[in-house]
Amino acid sequence: ETGVTQSPTHLIKTRGQQVTLRCSSQSGHNTVSWYQQALGQGPQFIFQYYREEENGRGNFPPRFSGLQFPNYSSELNVNALELDDSALYLCASSSPYRKSDEQYFGPGTRLTVT
Amino acid sequence: GQNIDQPTEMTATEGAIVQINCTYQTSGFNGLFWYQQHAGEAPTFLSYNVLDGLEEKGRFSSFLSRSKGYSYLLLKELQMKDSASYLCAVRRVYSGGYQKVTFGTGTKLQVIP
Repeated sequence: ETGVTQSPTHLIKTRGQQVTLRCSSQSGHNTVSWYQQALGQGPQFIFQYYREEENGRGNFPPRFSGLQFPNYSSELNVNALELDDSALYLCASSSPYRKSDEQYFGPGTRLTVT
Repeated sequence: GQNIDQPTEMTATEGAIVQINCTYQTSGFNGLFWYQQHAGEAPTFLSYNVLDGLEEKGRFSSFLSRSKGYSYLLLKELQMKDSASYLCAVRRVYSGGYQKVTFGTGTKLQVIP
């Protein structure tokens, strides 16, 4: 148990639709990162939020966007879904006050785009 | 960009020691992480190195050489439950504090009796 939760667990969407994935971080963790993990691959960094501001982004198009809220929850929004967006989406929270900035991962949301 | 290389698969015997290597190329280096990921589960944190040297944590140790762009994860007294993927991840910090974390594709370790 990492104290990080994600919803929904599984989701099926159609190409062209929009999706919102949610994450609830550990209390006090004001940094949250989102990752996309395709089968057999390592997680790919989408973006990171710190105190409700984006402060890091990977090589993902603007149709991937996010929000972070004061209550340590966050959202990942994906517009105009494509088949290649099918993957496991992970959020990870951390506190910048820990030496290692250890990230605690949620269980993930499995998104299938048909 | 950031390039991270680690072996795709490894096999080791229960009770033995295994070393998983990771090489990387990046500028603005700000730390290297190792994670364990069992099939169908989320990654769990194992270790963090930001300075050269060895960090030991029970049966797991991680080593970093920044000048060589090299790290390894050492697992001792292997147990069957150690069968999992091991992910190496590098954090890069840009000016202004902007951060990016890059994961390798992972090393799938199989522990055999």
